[in-house]
Amino acid sequence: QKEVEQDPGPLSVPEGAIVSLNCTYSNSAFQYFMWYRQYSRKGPELLMYTYSSGNKEDGRFTAQVDKSSKYISLFIRDSQPSDSATYLCAIGGRGAQKLVFGQGTRLTINP
Amino acid sequence: NAGVTQTPKFQVLKTGQSMTLQCAQDMNHEYMSWYRQDPGMGLRLIHYSVGAGITDQGEVPNGYNVSRSTTEDFPLRLLSAAPSQTSVYFCASSLGQGSTEAFFGQGTRLTVV
Repeated sequence: QKEVEQDPGPLSVPEGAIVSLNCTYSNSAFQYFMWYRQYSRKGPELLMYTYSSGNKEDGRFTAQVDKSSKYISLFIRDSQPSDSATYLCAIGGRGAQKLVFGQGTRLTINP
Repeated sequence: NAGVTQTPKFQVLKTGQSMTLQCAQDMNHEYMSWYRQDPGMGLRLIHYSVGAGITDQGEVPNGYNVSRSTTEDFPLRLLSAAPSQTSVYFCASSLGQGSTEAFFGQGTRLTVV
């Protein structure tokens, strides 16, 4: 069993929809929970991170962590075609040198 | 700043050949890492370094060697390439102990035939 499980999709939704992306993880030792976005043929870029449990909002994006159920979520409101990418959840400790990634979900927003 | 630079961008190797994937960062980051990305597997950690002269193994280290003689460079060596090493390789760096963000290069697409 992988340490971080993520539905690889693909997921296709119309423009303006609310998108929900989710991951589960098994190792309780990690305290940092991240979402990376990866456009085709590019390297991943950090979208958001959360420390421990709770919510974090940044514009149209909201990240949630529920440590009791080991569940990580990313919500995208008013989705745009430019949001089309692969979204990778990741967990790690301080330093970000040993990240454990989920499989990534390929998301397409249709105009 | 160029960020994290990986060379080459593409490479085709024959089984048994050796090669070095280059990674350089100009952000004075202390930590550097190598990942491989395969379909359906996400990114998996190969090796990482927390400073010049200090390296350690990640999840999938077999068949790869690393060394870190300078802060800027972290090359990944394939000793004897195998078709199972066909993948996209990403180098990443982060500032250090207090960092929460890894910066990734553009990747090297390697095919072993």
